[in-house]
Amino acid sequence: DAKTTQPTSMDCAEGRAANLPCNHSTISGNEYVYWYRQIHSQGPQYIIHGLKNNETNEMASLIITEDRKSSTLILPHATLRDTAVYYCIVRAYQTGANNLFFGTGTRLTVIP
Amino acid sequence: DGGITQSPKYLFRKEGQNVTLSCEQNLNHDAMYWYRQDPGQGLRLIYYSQIVNDFQKGDIAEGYSVSREKKESFPLTVTSAQKNPTAFYLCASSPGGGSGSFNEQFFGPGTRLTVL
Repeated sequence: DAKTTQPTSMDCAEGRAANLPCNHSTISGNEYVYWYRQIHSQGPQYIIHGLKNNETNEMASLIITEDRKSSTLILPHATLRDTAVYYCIVRAYQTGANNLFFGTGTRLTVIP
Repeated sequence: DGGITQSPKYLFRKEGQNVTLSCEQNLNHDAMYWYRQDPGQGLRLIYYSQIVNDFQKGDIAEGYSVSREKKESFPLTVTSAQKNPTAFYLCASSPGGGSGSFNEQFFGPGTRLTVL
């Protein structure tokens, strides 16, 4: 699985867009980019995933560069409840158990 | 409501004792997972199971054991052989199988184990 690199921490003002970057320069053609987040002392929660096209859902948008070596998770209007650790994970889709490697992620703090 | 339950939320044990953490899901998922998380760290995979009566070691299986006798249940035993058992333990499940759909993992609330 491709390794990912994320900043350790970021701050964002409440109501502004939070842009969380992720580098995955060794990504393979069949590997997806997944984003999860973990609010303090809870289990991680799935946010979004994508292969090469940009994706949007009710929680966030995922922008993947054309060469797929990096991506950005966008929370369009950050709220205090978005304060969490955000994990960028790269893994090939497969049937059966889908083991994901959760690194240390980016700690996002939304400031009032 | 469908979901994953882990109990208890906090667990205290004396050193040298085995302890079993429960994980139950009613999502009808084939695959289940156990992770360990230490303060300020990411998640590390202990064991996973793709189907009933089958399970595989993850990255840090030493000192742990699991069973998968029922689809809904995947208990984790922390044995006395585990040198640093104090941690936050998370259970997850995913549809697995050959459904062809994205295998999002759904996590339980976690159990914080403290060994005294």
